Amino acid sequence: SAVISQKPSRDICQRGTSLTIQCQVDSQVTMMFWYRQQPGQSLTLIATANQGSEATYESGFVIDKFPISRPNLTFSTLTVSNMSPEDSSIYLCSVRLQGISGNTIYFGEGSWLTVV
Amino acid sequence: GENVEQHPSTLSVQEGDSAVIKCTYSDSASNYFPWYKQELGKGPQLIIDIRSNVGEKKDQRIAVTLNKTAKHFSLHITETQPEDSAVYFCASAFSGSARQLTFGSGTQLTVLP
Repeated sequence: SAVISQKPSRDICQRGTSLTIQCQVDSQVTMMFWYRQQPGQSLTLIATANQGSEATYESGFVIDKFPISRPNLTFSTLTVSNMSPEDSSIYLCSVRLQGISGNTIYFGEGSWLTVV
Repeated sequence: GENVEQHPSTLSVQEGDSAVIKCTYSDSASNYFPWYKQELGKGPQLIIDIRSNVGEKKDQRIAVTLNKTAKHFSLHITETQPEDSAVYFCASAFSGSARQLTFGSGTQLTVLP
């Protein structure tokens, strides 16, 4: 498995501000992803964080709102820009590890954002 | 694209009883089916997974079964304990693709003491 650390774990943010979430993994990983989990809901993929190039965004998510960086194989950031109350969610970093029997996907503990 | 349906949305069982959560998927190319447990205030924790080359997998009190023909898979928890209370998510993926998981809608399991 992998140890995935996210910062901050929780924050209360003012409307209109931006917040950057950090994700640090204890080993080099090829694939890193960012998910959003709105209150009481399932997980939705925001984007794949690509090392050294622009992230690949899913339908409904755009770079201007959720800029992502991935400077190396162990670290990524997600910024939530110009926040509104609708952005109140858990933001989760995820990594895919290759094993003998195939790929396995792990999640960090999440960053719980409340926008007021 | 892939669609995963999960039932039931809530499940209450008495401590010591068994719990079963079922999921169906739509894409016959999917070949990886993990289950995650999410406790309040925490991220999803992988508890068991199954790949399409097997029909059943067990890990102590937890088991997962897969029926590729019917495109459904199930989580079985035996001898439930209060600490099993959490939200459980099923998911599916085609591991040969760079795409990530498609999740079910989740099941809130409550184990009553």
